[in-house]
Amino acid sequence: GDSVTQMEGPVTLSEEAFLTINCTYTATGYPSLFWYVQYPGEGLQLLLKATKADDKGSNKGFEATYRKETTSFHLEKGSVQVSDSAVYFCALRATGTYKYIFGTGTRLKVLA
Amino acid sequence: NAGVTQTPKFQVLKTGQSMTLQCAQDMNHNSMYWYRQDPGMGLRLIYYSASEGTTDKGEVPNGYNVSRLNKREFSLRLESAAPSQTSVYFCASSATHQGDPWSVVYDTQYFGPGTRLTVL
Repeated sequence: GDSVTQMEGPVTLSEEAFLTINCTYTATGYPSLFWYVQYPGEGLQLLLKATKADDKGSNKGFEATYRKETTSFHLEKGSVQVSDSAVYFCALRATGTYKYIFGTGTRLKVLA
Repeated sequence: NAGVTQTPKFQVLKTGQSMTLQCAQDMNHNSMYWYRQDPGMGLRLIYYSASEGTTDKGEVPNGYNVSRLNKREFSLRLESAAPSQTSVYFCASSATHQGDPWSVVYDTQYFGPGTRLTVL
């Protein structure tokens, strides 16, 4: 079945460091891919998404490119801030279905 | 525009007690969802509702019942709580629309703030 694999956390970075959180997926067809962010004590918020191969999703300085050949959707940010500290979830949704498959989440901690 | 709201925010139950988690959305979305979030396991779908009066089981429906009485509200009920149901519960909603004649397109899911439930 479909699945999403994220890198284990926690990830601890200094402010202004470069961030990469790896995400790979297994799915038939052409799923839509998402990154959600969960700040402490809150629900999940959509960070960015991509719906087809080679699409790049971007928001708030974060980017991720849908790579069909490597089945990956890695999240990147050039310069993280303390306010980016949160848990990041990679997810996929197969075409024509409402079902999301979530990764286990990666906790990011940014130190001032 | 409140988005997706959930009540209560926190709840402690004893084994065997019952309770209902409430969820409401004001975005006129057709689809609503209940998830549970457990450490190291991401989010798992409990139940899904495509519209008023319809529900489908998700990945982990055992021990839960749901009710979609109108478009806005989707409640989750635990009839006899067990310690294994200790978790954080999230409600979500999304719009849907017809794609080509053979498919439905599901838009982005929007999540509520969650209910932290502890069963002793």
